[in-house]
Amino acid sequence: GENVEQHPSTLSVQEGDSAVIKCTYSDSASNYFPWYKQELGKRPQLIIDIRSNVGEKKDQRIAVTLNKTAKHFSLHITETQPEDSAVYFCAASINRGSTLGRLYFGRGTQLTVWP
Amino acid sequence: SAVISQKPSRDICQRGTSLTIQCQVDSQVTMMFWYRQQPGQSLTLIATANQGSEATYESGFVIDKFPISRPNLTFSTLTVSNMSPEDSSIYLCSVGGLGSFGSGTRLTVV
Repeated sequence: GENVEQHPSTLSVQEGDSAVIKCTYSDSASNYFPWYKQELGKRPQLIIDIRSNVGEKKDQRIAVTLNKTAKHFSLHITETQPEDSAVYFCAASINRGSTLGRLYFGRGTQLTVWP
Repeated sequence: SAVISQKPSRDICQRGTSLTIQCQVDSQVTMMFWYRQQPGQSLTLIATANQGSEATYESGFVIDKFPISRPNLTFSTLTVSNMSPEDSSIYLCSVGGLGSFGSGTRLTVV
């Protein structure tokens, strides 16, 4: 089955700096790559996702890049703010038409943004 | 994306008892997924629930401990049976690769 590796496990940045979290996957059939933010005591919230036919996607301060050849994808957060502090999970799945596949998760990255 | 309602949101249960978690989706979906998130950990798939057939369980999870029902294309239940403190986790349902999760059930077993 799919194996998703995520690095780093912890990341501390100064407010205003950028943060980058990287994930690799093993199954070249994976075609959907979401990122989740989980604040303490809350469920994971989808913050951005990318499909395999796209190399990059941006939403305000958040961007995701995908390199299918190398089988890795990354989350980029610019101009970080203290409220960005949370655990971030990457995931991969195989979606075939209307059949939505299970998600394989990375181990998570605890991001701390210091004011 | 689909809207998923999950209940209960939290519960404190005595060891040896069972808890059934319900998940309702606002649209018909082929597969529903049940995940467990132990404290400080990532999400682990328990099983995949298909309507009209038995659930498919991941390694380390068995039907006797986590029976699942899927009576129609918008609803599923997960039961955590004969609970022990090790079952204390967040349980989440999902409709798969488009990223939607239910609100989660925070289970504490005492």
